[in-house]
Amino acid sequence: SQQGEEDPQALSIQEGENATMNCSYKTSINNLQWYRQNSGRGLVHLILIRSNEREKHSGRLRVTLDTSKKSSSLLITASRAADTASYFCATDAIKAAGNKLTFGGGTRVLVKP
Amino acid sequence: DVKVTQSSRYLVKRTGEKVFLECVQDMDHENMFWYRQDPGLGLRLIYFSYDVKMKEKGDIPEGYSVSREKKERFSLILESASTNQTSMYLCASDKGRTPRGEQFFGPGTRLTVL
Repeated sequence: SQQGEEDPQALSIQEGENATMNCSYKTSINNLQWYRQNSGRGLVHLILIRSNEREKHSGRLRVTLDTSKKSSSLLITASRAADTASYFCATDAIKAAGNKLTFGGGTRVLVKP
Repeated sequence: DVKVTQSSRYLVKRTGEKVFLECVQDMDHENMFWYRQDPGLGLRLIYFSYDVKMKEKGDIPEGYSVSREKKERFSLILESASTNQTSMYLCASDKGRTPRGEQFFGPGTRLTVL
């Protein structure tokens, strides 16, 4: 199974509400990253959180990391229709072969106007 | 503005054809990656390259090969396309450092093999 797995797989909310999605992983990591993908496009990097950090903010985004539970969450506050996208977590696992990122299956977020 | 470009957004090929997907980055990045993306499976790494003329297998290299003759260009080759290679292909690049930092992605190529 994948190193990073997102939950839920899909999320539908009204504009202005908050959206929360979670990522679980299996092995120790150097960092965890979140990406956004608009329909049919490439991924765009949102935020990186290092293994020694517990929380990070970027605009309306808040990411937490709990290395004891091997999990992370991404919170989007005051969502907008433009936040409709798929969101992926990616882990940089310690001692991963080739030191590559491993991506999860993604959470599809629909923000209804 | 940094950019990763891919040669085609959409491509339709027939079974058995040789297919070339090209990726170019203008950020002088050492590392380049090819992923395929399928519904419910997320992104899976096919091949990556840490330097010119160097390549490493990813998680699903079977049926694919790559070429990196110049630092800015990384090509994915399907020697004999098959219908199970119908997918979205994403190229990415990043700086050569450990641990891994931000990856920059191209817009993707949606390949259909008939």
